[in-house]
Amino acid sequence: KQEVTQIPAALSVPEGENLVLNCSFTDSAIYNLQWFRQDPGKGLTSLLLIQSSQREQTSGRLNASLDKSSGRSTLYIAASQPGDSATYLCAVRHYNDYKLSFGAGTTVTVRA
Amino acid sequence: DAGVTQSPTHLIKTRGQQVTLRCSPKSGHDTVSWYQQALGQGPQFIFQYYEEEERQRGNFPDRFSGHQFPNYSSELNVNALLLGDSALYLCASSLAQGVAKLFFGSGTQLSVL
Repeated sequence: KQEVTQIPAALSVPEGENLVLNCSFTDSAIYNLQWFRQDPGKGLTSLLLIQSSQREQTSGRLNASLDKSSGRSTLYIAASQPGDSATYLCAVRHYNDYKLSFGAGTTVTVRA
Repeated sequence: DAGVTQSPTHLIKTRGQQVTLRCSPKSGHDTVSWYQQALGQGPQFIFQYYEEEERQRGNFPDRFSGHQFPNYSSELNVNALLLGDSALYLCASSLAQGVAKLFFGSGTQLSVL
């Protein structure tokens, strides 16, 4: 069974600081990994998707890396802004699965 | 281009009742998945529908059932509601072929009293 862990559970930084969010998974036979953002009581917004053959994906201030062999992914958010305050979730899809297995998320607060 | 839409946004029920939640997928998508998210936790997979059939099911009891219609929209039904069914229910759509990137709706917040 795929286990996905996100550490830390919560993070508070001053505006302008770079954010580093970690995700680890136990089964490296993944098809892809997605990072999502969730605002309180709302749905999930897809940020980045990394295929198993890729090492990283970038979109604007966001960069996600993937190391399948060590079962880790990292989401970097450059020059954080108060609008980046949200919960960030990573999710992995196994090769033999249609479902996503989610971590519990990291709740980020960016202080103005 | 409309994204994934879910209805209703909020729902209050009492124990033992039955509930139906609805989802319209993103335009062009043919696959619908349902997830349950308890407060402070990541979403848990309930099931996925493709070509009007349940393609995969998560670890949820038979009280949870679903349906997909020819226009790809979907319903989630929960019978004999328990207090523990209180959660945010999320619908996600994708294409069956290719990368299968998921797009989520805003969810239905279900409270069971």
